[in-house]
Amino acid sequence: LAKTTQPISMDSYEGQEVNITCSHNNIATNDYITWYQQFPSQGPRFIIQGYKTKVTNEVASLFIPADRKSSTLSLPRVSLSDTAVYYCLVGDNNQGGKLIFGQGTELSVKP
Amino acid sequence: DSGVTQTPKHLITATGQRVTLRCSPRSGDLSVYWYQQSLDQGLQFLIHYYNGEERAKGNILERFSAQQFPDLHSELNLSSLELGDSALYFCASSVGTSNEQFFGPGTRLTVL
Repeated sequence: LAKTTQPISMDSYEGQEVNITCSHNNIATNDYITWYQQFPSQGPRFIIQGYKTKVTNEVASLFIPADRKSSTLSLPRVSLSDTAVYYCLVGDNNQGGKLIFGQGTELSVKP
Repeated sequence: DSGVTQTPKHLITATGQRVTLRCSPRSGDLSVYWYQQSLDQGLQFLIHYYNGEERAKGNILERFSAQQFPDLHSELNLSSLELGDSALYFCASSVGTSNEQFFGPGTRLTVL
């Protein structure tokens, strides 16, 4: 599984767009990039997954450059309720499903 | 609500004891995964079952075991408990084998 590196923490204010970048230099051809959100004492929640270029859903966008060695999770107009830990994971979707979580990025949204 | 249920929510027990954590996956999901989250180790994958069969093992101790039953619910058995086993234990499920997993609310285990 490719190792990921992301900032330990980030601060933002309500209404701003937040971009969290994840580095995964050793990503393999079959690997997908998946992001999870976790609130304290709750289970992680799937946010978005992509393979290349751009993926958008109702809560976030995921930007993946052509070399796929990094990815950026974009959260538009964050609110206080977006304060959470965000995990970037990289792996083959059919490798056994074991998710390897790093330390994640602790996002703090202030009023 | 992810559709994954876990019981009990909280469990307090003593060292040396044995406990069983239970997980019911979302309707239709064949895969069940177990994870442990502690302050010092973060989120760790323990084991994956698919349709009753073990598919992958992670950092699961020999004192721990799991199984998935014909009705697809799963149990995680923890024995000879130690203080260091105190953690949140999450169960997740997915339709097949996927990186898109749905996590339950967790069981908080406290070993005294």
